[in-house]
Amino acid sequence: NAGVTQTPKFQVLKTGQSMTLQCAQDMNHNSMYWYRQDPGMGLRLIYYSASEGTTDKGEVPNGYNVSRLNKREFSLRLESAAPSQTSVYFCASTQDRVPNQPQHFGDGTRLSIL
Amino acid sequence: AQSVTQLDSQVPVFEEAPVELRCNYSSSVSVYLFWYVQYPNQGLQLLLKYLSGSTLVKGINGFEAEFNKSQTSFHLRKPSVHISDTAEYFCAVSSLGGSYIPTFGRGTSLIVHP
Repeated sequence: NAGVTQTPKFQVLKTGQSMTLQCAQDMNHNSMYWYRQDPGMGLRLIYYSASEGTTDKGEVPNGYNVSRLNKREFSLRLESAAPSQTSVYFCASTQDRVPNQPQHFGDGTRLSIL
Repeated sequence: AQSVTQLDSQVPVFEEAPVELRCNYSSSVSVYLFWYVQYPNQGLQLLLKYLSGSTLVKGINGFEAEFNKSQTSFHLRKPSVHISDTAEYFCAVSSLGGSYIPTFGRGTSLIVHP
């Protein structure tokens, strides 16, 4: 039961470097999401993909790009990392884009930018 | 617009004592409510959800929550906590006719002391 798998689990970058965070789900879900978690801030939505082939901005999209590669995979890219992007990043998925389904989360990627 | 307020950022409690974690929401339409738990270095896991019907909802690990529409609250309770319940707890709300993507509270850290 893999569920949602995120890679890598940890990463340290220098300011200005680029990086792609990978996310894959094996539950045949249609909708996928990227969040960042910062102390005392809860979860903030960065981007989401309601279905394969579509992506939309969330609450905090600046400095990020996403790609919905196929139904299983949804990647998050930092083109030029900044210290303010130091955070824990979570990928999540739901079967459909309806409000009564809980989200399934990966274990997160802990990213530090120096 | 929907919003969630978790009234306590940290709740310390002794083992075997009862606990209540408070959550208030705001929405102009019908809501769906969720509680998630996050153990250290892990992703969020669903504890319980309120979709409709009985206002008292039972979840995993002995937790329960009560939906109170008049007070717009969805407080989480457990009659007797264990050391292993030490974790971060998140309340989330989504809306029928509003955003299908849940809005998360800032989290409550439950610290269980021996």
